[in-house]
Amino acid sequence: KAGVTQTPRYLIKTRGQQVTLSCSPISGHRSVSWYQQTPGQGLQFLFEYFSETQRNKGNFPGRFSGRQFSNSRSEMNVSTLELGDSALYLCASSLGGGLETQYFGPGTRLLVL
Amino acid sequence: AQKITQTQPGMFVQEKEAVTLDCTYDTSDPSYGLFWYKQPSSGEMIFLIYQGSYDQQNATEGRYSLNFQKARKSANLVISASQLGDSAMYFCAFTGNQFYFGTGTSLTVIP
Repeated sequence: KAGVTQTPRYLIKTRGQQVTLSCSPISGHRSVSWYQQTPGQGLQFLFEYFSETQRNKGNFPGRFSGRQFSNSRSEMNVSTLELGDSALYLCASSLGGGLETQYFGPGTRLLVL
Repeated sequence: AQKITQTQPGMFVQEKEAVTLDCTYDTSDPSYGLFWYKQPSSGEMIFLIYQGSYDQQNATEGRYSLNFQKARKSANLVISASQLGDSAMYFCAFTGNQFYFGTGTSLTVIP
């Protein structure tokens, strides 16, 4: 069974631009979560989607948004990029969320100049 | 509020030796899960082992075992017979309604 895939793997943007990252979960998994990882803040939870609905949300500004499609694929969007948004963005999928194991994709490295 | 703590920023271990990575958590929920992940320099988070709060026995997966002490709220990872490829960041994670990750421990295996 194929793992979690994320595209693109690397991205360079400038301040003020917006960016969309994509995540395809493991087949059959309906929950997708997004995380931001930086050296200073560590791993921080952004949001979780289950059956096209946002089920949980972390403490991030409204510039960070996401959505999930009927095939469970998910996208996250960051508008009006700031230098501090430079990070590794990780997507994880699980069967139904909750106490289940999350399986991570390879991540998207975003650099904002 | 849930909280998870890893107190060892960096650890060194000799190849073929065992090493224990510490993790403590704080929760008032009766039902929760504890996980360990490995993150090599490539960035991908690799699932290693899971322990449920109601599990009576400590979880084991190959060379990985989880030393679960519920009363002390600790979930330490034990890696036996360390290999050079074990050099990576290791994260402890706790889940109630969402995943909470610790700050990680950088493990270096010395030949």
